[in-house]
Amino acid sequence: GQNIDQPTEMTATEGAIVQINCTYQTSGFNGLFWYQQHAGEAPTFLSYNVLDGLEEKGRFSSFLSRSKGYSYLLLKELQMKDSASYLCAVLDSNYQLIWGAGTKLIIKP
Amino acid sequence: GAVVSQHPSRVICKSGTSVKIECRSLDFQATTMFWYRQFPKQSLMLMATSNEGSKATYEQGVEKDKFLINHASLTLSTLTVTSAHPEDSSFYICSARQLADSYEQYFGPGTRLTVT
Repeated sequence: GQNIDQPTEMTATEGAIVQINCTYQTSGFNGLFWYQQHAGEAPTFLSYNVLDGLEEKGRFSSFLSRSKGYSYLLLKELQMKDSASYLCAVLDSNYQLIWGAGTKLIIKP
Repeated sequence: GAVVSQHPSRVICKSGTSVKIECRSLDFQATTMFWYRQFPKQSLMLMATSNEGSKATYEQGVEKDKFLINHASLTLSTLTVTSAHPEDSSFYICSARQLADSYEQYFGPGTRLTVT
């Protein structure tokens, strides 16, 4: 079956760095997405990785290792507004997104 | 950037009635639209995939006669929840995929449905 695992909840301090991990087992792979979702709102796109390595975009970076079925989202200089759920999703061989359950990130002052 | 709208943003209806939710891609043509449902503190659950001009493909466990999906044009898809019950109360989100893009899905803002 298809499976995406990510921690349920994480807590970090304002100004610090946090890494949210995602491991996946899917039928085929056409890329991995990270989305941010604030409570009561739709997800917003953060990053897309299809090749191994690190993609940096401002305070956010995303890493992918296809051989290990592993990705992480790195958030630097955390701000209170970063409190949200972070969803990992893999595009499978049918170009369908398989979603993880999301990681709720709590930022404390 | 690509924008997807949903209407209404919130709706309250009585049990047994039907509700229609619209999803529109405002500045691009979407050959594929997706309908998701999200219960509180849970992840997105794909309900169906809709391609313009053809019947929607429903995920296992989703009743196609209860959740009617119409994708009549490249910019509009509708989801009708028929004979709604309180257990249908949820956050319904649509997304649209622009074929020429990197398979990214653009999400609408969601519709909060409450069935009383």
